[in-house]
Amino acid sequence: AQTVTQSQPEMSVQEAETVTLSCTYDTSESDYYLFWYKQPPSRQMILVIRQEAYKQQNATENRFSVNFQKAAKSFSLKISDSQLGDAAMYFCAYRSARRLGNEKLTFGTGTRLTIIP
Amino acid sequence: GAVVSQHPSRVICKSGTSVKIECRSLDFQATTMFWYRQFPKQSLMLMATSNEGSKATYEQGVEKDKFLINHASLTLSTLTVTSAHPEDSSFYICSANNWDRGETQYFGPGTRLLVL
Repeated sequence: AQTVTQSQPEMSVQEAETVTLSCTYDTSESDYYLFWYKQPPSRQMILVIRQEAYKQQNATENRFSVNFQKAAKSFSLKISDSQLGDAAMYFCAYRSARRLGNEKLTFGTGTRLTIIP
Repeated sequence: GAVVSQHPSRVICKSGTSVKIECRSLDFQATTMFWYRQFPKQSLMLMATSNEGSKATYEQGVEKDKFLINHASLTLSTLTVTSAHPEDSSFYICSANNWDRGETQYFGPGTRLLVL
């Protein structure tokens, strides 16, 4: 079974600074997807970024980028120019690339990010 | 695109009654939807996988007779909490797989259930 570990329960960063949230995972599969979701106080889960394991290039979405290290099974999220609206719980998630019943996500325990004005 | 709605957003009911929660994919078809439960300050716990036109697959420890799931169309799945009790009070979230968006799960806004 796959597991996802987020070792930082809480993080804080000064507004406009950069912060990195860590995530490691364990799997015996070679093809899979990794995701970062954010859950603000509204509790709506919002997709931040997505990475396919077969792609070596790290995914980026505006101020959000990942450092995907497949051999190390590491998938960290970097938030540049942090904004007050980035304050949320961030969840790392894993999904097998196999279909037919394997589409479910395995979530980490989350990292609560606080932005200091 | 890739919008998922959930209704109602919050519901209060008496112990012993049943509550139905709807999850709709508004601008895409979803053969697979998922139902989660989230306790305060915790991660999401998958309850079941809902497959259009077939029976749901429940996670270990989730009572299928307690949490009835119906996925009658490619855009609608429902979760019915039968004979609700105070311990069923929680935040329930659905999600839908969008194959056109790289097989990414998109989430509904959640339903807060309070059983008195």
